[in-house]
Amino acid sequence: KQEVTQIPAALSVPEGENLVLNCSFTDSAIYNLQWFRQDPGKGLTSLLLIQSSQREQTSGRLNASLDKSSGRSTLYIAASQPGDSATYLCAVLYNTDKLIFGTGTRLQVFP
Amino acid sequence: AAGVIQSPRHLIKEKRETATLKCYPIPRHDTVYWYQQGPGQDPQFLISFYEKMQSDKGSIPDRFSAQQFSDYHSELNMSSLELGDSALYFCASSLGLAGGRETQYFGPGTRLLVL
Repeated sequence: KQEVTQIPAALSVPEGENLVLNCSFTDSAIYNLQWFRQDPGKGLTSLLLIQSSQREQTSGRLNASLDKSSGRSTLYIAASQPGDSATYLCAVLYNTDKLIFGTGTRLQVFP
Repeated sequence: AAGVIQSPRHLIKEKRETATLKCYPIPRHDTVYWYQQGPGQDPQFLISFYEKMQSDKGSIPDRFSAQQFSDYHSELNMSSLELGDSALYFCASSLGLAGGRETQYFGPGTRLLVL
């Protein structure tokens, strides 16, 4: 069964810290992996997409890496800010249309 | 830049009623996807369409049906609503299936409450 798990489930840190969010998937035959941000009760904002042939993607203070062989991806957030507070979801795409979402990491950055 | 549009944004229905959710993809996107996110849960894939044809199907109840129209917008029809159908329903769109799996861009969602 294809499952996606995220650790930690929740994280609370002071402003300015560098963070690492983890995502693991059971089936390594992925097509791509996306990281999303979701604010409470709101929609999903795509942050980064990594194709299966890529090792990492960067956007501003965000860097996502992918290690297919070990079934892992990490989202690195540099110099965290209170505005980064949200739930972060990773989602894996196999050779179908459906994204399989992880359980999410709820991040709170306090001033 | 234009995003995925969903309407209505909020909907309140009673048990056994019907509901229709609409999705307008990003211009030139020809693929739409529907997801359901229950309270405190991660989004679950329901169904997708490419060029007006159903391309994949997930855990969509038989009470639900969907279609994609010639202008690429899509509608999710939900009948005999149950309390457990209360959720946030997302539509996503992408450009093309042929040759690759492109980024899915999500709309703001429709929050359905069944009383």
